[in-house]
Amino acid sequence: GAVVSQHPSRVICKSGTSVKIECRSLDFQATTMFWYRQFPKQSLMLMATSNEGSKATYEQGVEKDKFLINHASLTLSTLTVTSAHPEDSSFYICSALRDRNTEAFFGQGTRLTVV
Amino acid sequence: GENVEQHPSTLSVQEGDSAVIKCTYSDSASNYFPWYKQELGKGPQLIIDIRSNVGEKKDQRIAVTLNKTAKHFSLHITETQPEDSAVYFCAAGRALTFGSGTRLQVQP
Repeated sequence: GAVVSQHPSRVICKSGTSVKIECRSLDFQATTMFWYRQFPKQSLMLMATSNEGSKATYEQGVEKDKFLINHASLTLSTLTVTSAHPEDSSFYICSALRDRNTEAFFGQGTRLTVV
Repeated sequence: GENVEQHPSTLSVQEGDSAVIKCTYSDSASNYFPWYKQELGKGPQLIIDIRSNVGEKKDQRIAVTLNKTAKHFSLHITETQPEDSAVYFCAAGRALTFGSGTRLQVQP
């Protein structure tokens, strides 16, 4: 199957700083990428849909100024958590669609801890 | 938007028994229904999926059934093994709305 690489796998940052998470499709071009957040023992909640070359579409309740998404190329999307707070600590996961008729391929996830 | 409900939240079976997890969805326009297995600290891994033009799909010990009229789909795992222990998620819709997850524990 297709490979999606997410980096870093773990990050610890101080309150008030920003953290960037990268999501790369390694062997295909992803027209669409999705970003999810998962709290412990809970399901994945969609944060935003990212289309290459256009602005991301955010789900209700997700602050677009706090969670900056950039999809500058067909193989890379980034999520930047700005001015991070302890409540932003979570597991962030990206997925990528090769085209609208294929399944979504998931990255390995990033464990963010804000101290 | 899509709403997906998943049951049960936890499931414990003996090794060799079968396990069934059920999901319902709300958007009749959804036509893609994947199942994911997630192990602790890792991203979800696709284990099987089904599209709305078929009613059943099987891959070795894993099968998925879909009832579009009733808007529900189920995951069936036969001859369960301890390594099947994980959290399983169903999903529906293009942007993948996930169910709440089922923690499956297979007792050796």
